[in-house]
Amino acid sequence: AQRVTQPEKLLSVFKGAPVELKCNYSYSGSPELFWYVQYSRQRLQLLLRHISRESIKGFTADLNKGETSFHLKKPFAQEEDSAMYYCALRVAYSGAGSYQLTFGKGTKLSVIP
Amino acid sequence: DAGITQSPRHKVTETGTPVTLRCHQTENHRYMYWYRQDPGHGLRLIHYSYGVKDTDKGEVSDGYSVSRSKTEDFLLTLESATSSQTSVYFCAISAQAGDGYTFGSGTRLTVV
Repeated sequence: AQRVTQPEKLLSVFKGAPVELKCNYSYSGSPELFWYVQYSRQRLQLLLRHISRESIKGFTADLNKGETSFHLKKPFAQEEDSAMYYCALRVAYSGAGSYQLTFGKGTKLSVIP
Repeated sequence: DAGITQSPRHKVTETGTPVTLRCHQTENHRYMYWYRQDPGHGLRLIHYSYGVKDTDKGEVSDGYSVSRSKTEDFLLTLESATSSQTSVYFCAISAQAGDGYTFGSGTRLTVV
């Protein structure tokens, strides 16, 4: 069964410290993974997709198929990075050749000044 | 403007009453989704639509129904609201199935 696991509900780091938000997945197909972010009082927005291999706001994530992981990293945390982060896996769903996003439970990142 | 709006933003309703939430898009995207967000559960898919009048169930569809009579509108109905349906409901749209979601601002529903 497809599953996305984010083991940390809350992660607190000091400003300027490195950040790593963990994400592991379970999926029998070829995985496509995303990170979404929700800042306080704002809507969820796409942060990264592994296919594009881009860096957004200093964050990067590498898909590791051997470890079935897609951890989100940033070398130096900023206060404005404080938010809720969701890892998501694109999975095939029922009929009509449809795909959906299955989300992890989220990790709340708190950057301490 | 993100091209997607949800209404109402907040609603308090009584147990047993019907409730309809609306998602409206101006992007002409084919795919629309309803999720609920709960502490400790993250986002869970309720229903989705892959075209006008084409809908299917998600992970937590019991107690919910949807309708999509035109491209721009996707309605979520709670036939008889229960306290377990107190949640924040998010609508999302995408041009490709399961890719590049744009989310609405959410509807905070409280069932008392």
